[in-house]
Amino acid sequence: KQEVTQIPAALSVPEGENLVLNCSFTDSAIYNLQWFRQDPGKGLTSLLLIQSSQREQTSGRLNASLDKSSGRSTLYIAASQPGDSATYLCAVISRGSARQLTFGSGTQLTVLP
Amino acid sequence: DTEVTQTPKHLVMGMTNKKSLKCEQHMGHRAMYWYKQKAKKPPELMFVYSYEKLSINESVPSRFSPECPNSSLLNLHLHALQPEDSALYLCASSQRPGTGNTIYFGEGSWLTVV
Repeated sequence: KQEVTQIPAALSVPEGENLVLNCSFTDSAIYNLQWFRQDPGKGLTSLLLIQSSQREQTSGRLNASLDKSSGRSTLYIAASQPGDSATYLCAVISRGSARQLTFGSGTQLTVLP
Repeated sequence: DTEVTQTPKHLVMGMTNKKSLKCEQHMGHRAMYWYKQKAKKPPELMFVYSYEKLSINESVPSRFSPECPNSSLLNLHLHALQPEDSALYLCASSQRPGTGNTIYFGEGSWLTVV
């Protein structure tokens, strides 16, 4: 059964710092990995989708990498801003999971002004 | 337009009430999902509709009854709920289930059962 872990559970950084959020998964047989952002009391906003055949995806200040063989993904946020404060969730679609998302527990990011 | 719209945003209901949550998307997606999310936990899958047919029911109690009237709409009918059912209910959609498609989520409906 696929398990997704995100470390750390919470992270606090000063504004302007570059930071990395980590996601690991136990079963490397995945279709894709998706990073989401969730603001308090709100729904999930899709940030980046990486297909299993890809190594990375970029959108603005965000860069996500995928190392399928080691079961790891990172989300790199450049020049962090207070508006980046949110919970970041990664989720994978595994070949053995009826093609549904398995979520990590999230990293709660606070960017201090 | 990458929007999934959910109504109502907030709902308070008694344990004997019958209410419904509604979800709509106009992206031409053929897969729609209901998730339940408790505080500080990741979303948990409840139901998947694929081409307007229920394809996955994650052993959800029968007091939750999904309905997909057409390819753009997904409802969740609620009856005789328990206080522990209080949560954020998220609707999502994708072009088709699984594989390489981005999944888009709505803003959610906050449900409080009293």
